[in-house]
Amino acid sequence: EIVLTQSPGTLSLSPGERTTLSCRASQSVTSSALAWYQQKPGQSPRLLIYDASTRATGIPDRFSGSGSGTDFTLTISRLEPEDFAVYYCQQYGSSPITFGQGTRLEIK
Amino acid sequence: EVQLVESGGGLVQPGGSLRLSCAASGFTFSSYWMSWVRQAPGKGLEWVAKIKQDGSEKYYVDSVKGRFTISRDNTRNSLDLQMNSLRAEDTAVYYCVRHWAYWGQGTPVTVSS
Repeated sequence: EIVLTQSPGTLSLSPGERTTLSCRASQSVTSSALAWYQQKPGQSPRLLIYDASTRATGIPDRFSGSGSGTDFTLTISRLEPEDFAVYYCQQYGSSPITFGQGTRLEIK
Repeated sequence: EVQLVESGGGLVQPGGSLRLSCAASGFTFSSYWMSWVRQAPGKGLEWVAKIKQDGSEKYYVDSVKGRFTISRDNTRNSLDLQMNSLRAEDTAVYYCVRHWAYWGQGTPVTVSS
């Protein structure tokens, strides 16, 4: 099983700032099958990035993903008020599919 | 518009059974892998099971193997999860997911006496 470790656990930032979230895998992720999700309280997760770096339909270009192998990042270039949420990474290249524990992005 | 609507959740005693269903619309259901993903109260996401387009391949997380069964009916555009021998640790919101961009609103399952 591939274990995904996200860091940091919590980030306190202000609107307008730039941030990078990290997702590290315990072994190489097959074919860069790595996704990022955003989840707000009471809502279903929303797909942001798939295949490590491809933005999902309708996702603003301030969100970008990068990485390969065991190290992946999600960058938000300029935080908007609606970006404060919990972010999860997921690998879907190997079974069982696994998620990271999440990074909470909160307003400073 | 893609829609995934789960149903069947509720309160069940430990050792009991529950069957979740997901009604899909707005896309060609038979063309997509489908999964169930759950989220325990205040916790993160956990993938539970997935099924291939034609139902010929099914995969499960270890913690539910032998207890849960995923199935689909491509004629009715529906996805099911039969859950037996339920435990307290199965308490969660269960999401139906079309790999991986579309998620239902979730149906809550509570296992408690």
